[in-house]
Amino acid sequence: GAGVSQTPSNKVTEKGKYVELRCDPISGHTALYWYRQSLGQGPEFLIYFQGTGAADDSGLPNDRFFAVRPEGSVSTLKIQRTERGDSAVYLCASSSSGQGRPQHFGDGTRLSIL
Amino acid sequence: GENVEQHPSTLSVQEGDSAVIKCTYSDSASNYFPWYKQELGKGPQLIIDIRSNVGEKKDQRIAVTLNKTAKHFSLHITETQPEDSAVYFCAASRGSTLGRLYFGRGTQLTVWP
Repeated sequence: GAGVSQTPSNKVTEKGKYVELRCDPISGHTALYWYRQSLGQGPEFLIYFQGTGAADDSGLPNDRFFAVRPEGSVSTLKIQRTERGDSAVYLCASSSSGQGRPQHFGDGTRLSIL
Repeated sequence: GENVEQHPSTLSVQEGDSAVIKCTYSDSASNYFPWYKQELGKGPQLIIDIRSNVGEKKDQRIAVTLNKTAKHFSLHITETQPEDSAVYFCAASRGSTLGRLYFGRGTQLTVWP
């Protein structure tokens, strides 16, 4: 079936602007994760949703970052007042509930802040 | 929190040779260890995973071993092929797989024909 879908694949914007990144998880997956990957690094955890609620948002770097998942499926990561240091690839992963379910990643959104 | 270290950062092998990538973790409560392959411009793709109640797992040319006492785990690729060339990441998770993954910094594997 279809995998995790992320849009847009690339986003270029100016410093100070607001951006939204979208994630469509695998159908039926109740767990959804956002990670951020800088060049030459492994992905770093941002936030995890179980259903509609954020079960763990301890990885969000500051209050400019926010994410929602209002209906328990699609999620949107929102970044306010973007800074050049926010430039990275933002990855989304989903997992079915229950023990022993691995996380499946989308191809990410490459965000560039000019 | 968990700290995952991965070595080497780069690895070059001849086609047909074996490749081994090693990771260590710091949190003894971690009990799930996946390995991902990432090609340029793509997201990480799960290739194999192992739980702490198992010492070794194999899937065709790929195997993973886990030493809980020493807190390290390794990826073994046999009979390497040029299409195995990619960046490989190890990761660790505490508790159930519903939890966050802590990733290593990655290993760039190059397989020369």
